[in-house]
Amino acid sequence: SQQGEEDPQALSIQEGENATMNCSYKTSINNLQWYRQNSGRGLVHLILIRSNEREKHSGRLRVTLDTSKKSSSLLITASRAADTASYFCATAPSNSGYALNFGKGTSLLVTP
Amino acid sequence: GAVVSQHPSRVICKSGTSVKIECRSLDFQATTMFWYRQFPKQSLMLMATSNEGSKATYEQGVEKDKFLINHASLTLSTLTVTSAHPEDSSFYICSASLRQGSGYTFGSGTRLTVV
Repeated sequence: SQQGEEDPQALSIQEGENATMNCSYKTSINNLQWYRQNSGRGLVHLILIRSNEREKHSGRLRVTLDTSKKSSSLLITASRAADTASYFCATAPSNSGYALNFGKGTSLLVTP
Repeated sequence: GAVVSQHPSRVICKSGTSVKIECRSLDFQATTMFWYRQFPKQSLMLMATSNEGSKATYEQGVEKDKFLINHASLTLSTLTVTSAHPEDSSFYICSASLRQGSGYTFGSGTRLTVV
């Protein structure tokens, strides 16, 4: 079942700018993950942040997690046209099996 | 790294026929796989959890007799859409995880079009 909400739903920026996407969720979680999906393709795992972590970096990606507000953000720095894709947050609830619950996604367009 | 292969990538079928989609973990054993459905410009909706050697667990509202899941080995899960109708047209994606608490690997998805 879907529990996450992401904003914005769509984001359009120019190359070199930073892109920030936010995600909120409702239940307790073990971890939160961000995925990328190019149009009509499968999902690619970007980064996982555990419930006891507050910030994580991976290359040009920076993820924050605020469990008190049940929210997370994904920052892509120095964006490139190749970053154009949909980005989803997904939570692994702590009170169930480990199926992921996906947010609605943010569609990012990076123009040259 | 963990690789999940999904086949076919695209399929067009006639109403009333059945379609089988395969999901294989290539370099690891997956006791559990997950099947999702995605409508255009929407998020992924979990359909069912596929458990090796036992019955799948279906999400509320998903017809188990229509979406048959078989997980006969540790590396293969199949989803069969039976008596397909145009409203079943969608993007179906499977996923698996090396272990609980780690990132998930997704198949490349199957675009099903029922005409």
